Formats: sequence, structure tokens, C-alpha cells
Amino acid sequence: GEDVEQSLFLSVREGDSSVINCTYTDSSSTYLYWYKQEPGAGLQLLTYIFSNMDMKQDQRLTVLLNKKDKHLSLRIADTQTGDSAIYFCAVTMDSNYQLIWGAGTKLIIKP
Amino acid sequence: GAVVSQHPSRVICKSGTSVKIECRSLDFQATTMFWYRQFPKKSLMLMATSNEGSKATYEQGVEKDKFLINHASLTLSTLTVTSAHPEDSSFYICSARDRGGSRIEQYFGPGTRLTVT
Repeated sequence: GEDVEQSLFLSVREGDSSVINCTYTDSSSTYLYWYKQEPGAGLQLLTYIFSNMDMKQDQRLTVLLNKKDKHLSLRIADTQTGDSAIYFCAVTMDSNYQLIWGAGTKLIIKP
Repeated sequence: GAVVSQHPSRVICKSGTSVKIECRSLDFQATTMFWYRQFPKKSLMLMATSNEGSKATYEQGVEKDKFLINHASLTLSTLTVTSAHPEDSSFYICSARDRGGSRIEQYFGPGTRLTVT
């Protein structure tokens, strides 16, 4: 079945850009998502990209999709302390839009 | 935005007892709700898909008699962990799909931390 991989931790300095990476195995993935999880809060959909797109930008967030390498990334520009959270990559393949999840990357912000 | 609540947020129970977790969509109707289990440093595991008025569809390896799911209304789904054991201790998350919204998006509850002693 589909497998989604992420690094468990990423540490960046405040003000720098953060790049969180994700790889997946099934090339028929249709939608690819980034979710943010903060303590005590539900998973929040940050952005998603359809498989026929290479890039999507939304304010400080940039999503890049490399279908050939099955690689998805999330870039957060000018990282702030409020960006501290766990970021999950998820993909869907079928008509039920069942989400297949990565393990999450904990973003740590250094002052 | 669409809000999903879960109750309780934390629960501690003794081994052998049953625990019920509620998932509510507060400002939308959810024909489909999902129950996940989250392990530390591991991906969310889909346990079951719950459709209003019908039986839940369980993922392979999830015991339906142990994890009872009821989706009795368009705004409420419950997960009952029966005869809980310490290995059932985990973080349980529900999500809901808006009946009138996009099929792409699921709205997540804040999760319930279950500890079985």
C-alpha cells in the first residue's frame, strides 16, 4: 500500500525559512495535503495541492510537488514562534479520499 | 470554519472497563466521520469510517467488537473502547466531512487521550 515518509524533527531559527519534506510511494496519489497540529488543538488543514500542479503558494506557505521523485515539500517563509507545531503530510488516492498519513515533522523554532 | 469537538479530552480508566468518546460536528452536518488512532512518532492510523445511519467500515486489523462505533445522527459519532487494556492507551482523533462541503477536506477534533491503568 501507500507509504508516506517524513523526518521527525526540523529545527530552524526564527526568521529563517523552514522546509519540511515528504515522500510517498504511490504515483496515483491525487491530492496531497499539509496539516498542522498544535497541542490541544485539532489537526488544521494548511494547504493542499492537486497532483497535476507543481507548485502552490499561499502567503508564507509554498508547496512544491515533484511527481517524478514523489516528493512533496512545504516551505514556511519567515518562520515565527507561532509556527511551532507538528506538520503532517497526507495523500489520497481513491474516490473515498481516504487519507494516508506521514508520521509528522515537529518544527522547533530557535530564537 | 467548521468545528469538531471531542469529549472527553482526557480519560483514565481501569483495565477491563469501557470508555465512550464522543465526536460532534458543531456547525455542520457530517454524513461521514472518521476515527483515527495516533501513536507517538508514528502516522495517524485510520481505524474506521462511520457513515450516518449505517454500520461503520473498519480497517484491517481493527477489532470491531472492541472498538464500537455508532453514528446515530448527522452531528454525533461515538467510539466505545470495550474491556480496555493498557495497550489501548493512545490518542484518539475523530474527523468529519461536511455534508454540504468539499469531499477533499476533513475537519478534525482536538483528540482524546486515553490512559488505561
